[in-house]
Amino acid sequence: GQNIDQPTEMTATEGAIVQINCTYQTSGFNGLFWYQQHAGEAPTFLSYNVLDGLEEKGRFSSFLSRSKGYSYLLLKELQMKDSASYLCAAQDSNYQLIWGAGTKLIIKP
Amino acid sequence: IAGITQAPTSQILAAGRRMTLRCTQDMRHNAMYWYRQDLGLGLRLIHYSNTAGTTGKGEVPDGYSVSRANTDDFPLTLASAVPSQTSVYFCASSVDGTYNEQFFGPGTRLTVL
Repeated sequence: GQNIDQPTEMTATEGAIVQINCTYQTSGFNGLFWYQQHAGEAPTFLSYNVLDGLEEKGRFSSFLSRSKGYSYLLLKELQMKDSASYLCAAQDSNYQLIWGAGTKLIIKP
Repeated sequence: IAGITQAPTSQILAAGRRMTLRCTQDMRHNAMYWYRQDLGLGLRLIHYSNTAGTTGKGEVPDGYSVSRANTDDFPLTLASAVPSQTSVYFCASSVDGTYNEQFFGPGTRLTVL
């Protein structure tokens, strides 16, 4: 079957760095997406990886290892506004997104 | 309109009633999607459409139907609502059905009693 695993909740301190891990099993693979979702709002796109390696975009970076079925989202210089859920989604052979349940990130001052 | 709109924002519905959730996008995207989001679960795809005039079933299509008469609109209909359909429903769109950066509407919170 198809499955996405990510931690349910993480806590970090303002100004620090946090890494949110995601492992995936899909029928075929066409890319890995990360989305951010603030409470009560819609998900918004953060990053996309299809090749192995690190993609950096400002304070956020995303890493992919296709051989390990593994990705992580790295958030640097954490701000209070980064408190949100972070959703990992893998695109299968039919180009459908398979979604994880999300990681709720709590930022403490 | 800028992006994707959904209506209504929220709705309380008696079981057995018929309900249509509306979704409109102005980005001329070819692909559109309907998801439901339940606490502790990932977004689950209900139905999708890769282009106007075509639709497909997602992971949880039972009890729901869709139509795609034109590029902009993608309504979701619950023929006879049941309490298990209580959820937050998100409509999304993407340029096409392959590269899948999806843009989401604000969601509809539906409660079926």
